[in-house]
Amino acid sequence: AQSVTQLDSQVPVFEEAPVELRCNYSSSVSVYLFWYVQYPNQGLQLLLKYLSGSTLVKGINGFEAEFNKSQTSFHLRKPSVHISDTAEYFCAAGEGNMLTFGGGTRLMVKP
Amino acid sequence: ETGVTQTPRHLVMGMTNKKSLKCEQHLGHNAMYWYKQSAKKPLELMFVYNFKEQTENNSVPSRFSPECPNSSHLFLHLHTLQPEDSALYLCASSQDLGPFTEAFFGQGTRLTVV
Repeated sequence: AQSVTQLDSQVPVFEEAPVELRCNYSSSVSVYLFWYVQYPNQGLQLLLKYLSGSTLVKGINGFEAEFNKSQTSFHLRKPSVHISDTAEYFCAAGEGNMLTFGGGTRLMVKP
Repeated sequence: ETGVTQTPRHLVMGMTNKKSLKCEQHLGHNAMYWYKQSAKKPLELMFVYNFKEQTENNSVPSRFSPECPNSSHLFLHLHTLQPEDSALYLCASSQDLGPFTEAFFGQGTRLTVV
């Protein structure tokens, strides 16, 4: 079964600074990877996904992620964050009929 | 607005109560899910339904009883819960089952068991 690890439980960053949220997954035959965002008191919303093809995936709100097979990573990046990006971010891997989620990373953007 | 609506948004119940959570999706999806989100724990998949049939039960205690009368509606019936069952319960739907299928989530029901 897949496992997904998000190494950082919290990432504080100043507004307009770049940010990287780390995600590692256990290797599997097929890899389908997702990043979801959860704003306070909301459900999860898809940011981006990697199914196949280009290893650099662009998502909504200026986020992008890079699939690195050799390092089994799928880190999320944004070159310049806004206060409104403050939220919890979840990396997930698809296998069989289910998504396996990481523990989440709370991004805290400070003015 | 994701097209997945959960009611109620908040619920407080005693350990001897019986209550139900409701989820409705307006996306024409065939698969629906219940997830549990507890503090400091990863999202846990509870149940999966596809075309109204349960396909996954992730070792969930019997005090949680799901019901899927049609592809648009999903319920979670609760009875004799424990305080450790307090959590955010998220419903999701997807077009079909599969590892590459995007899931659309509702806003969740915040459950507190007292």
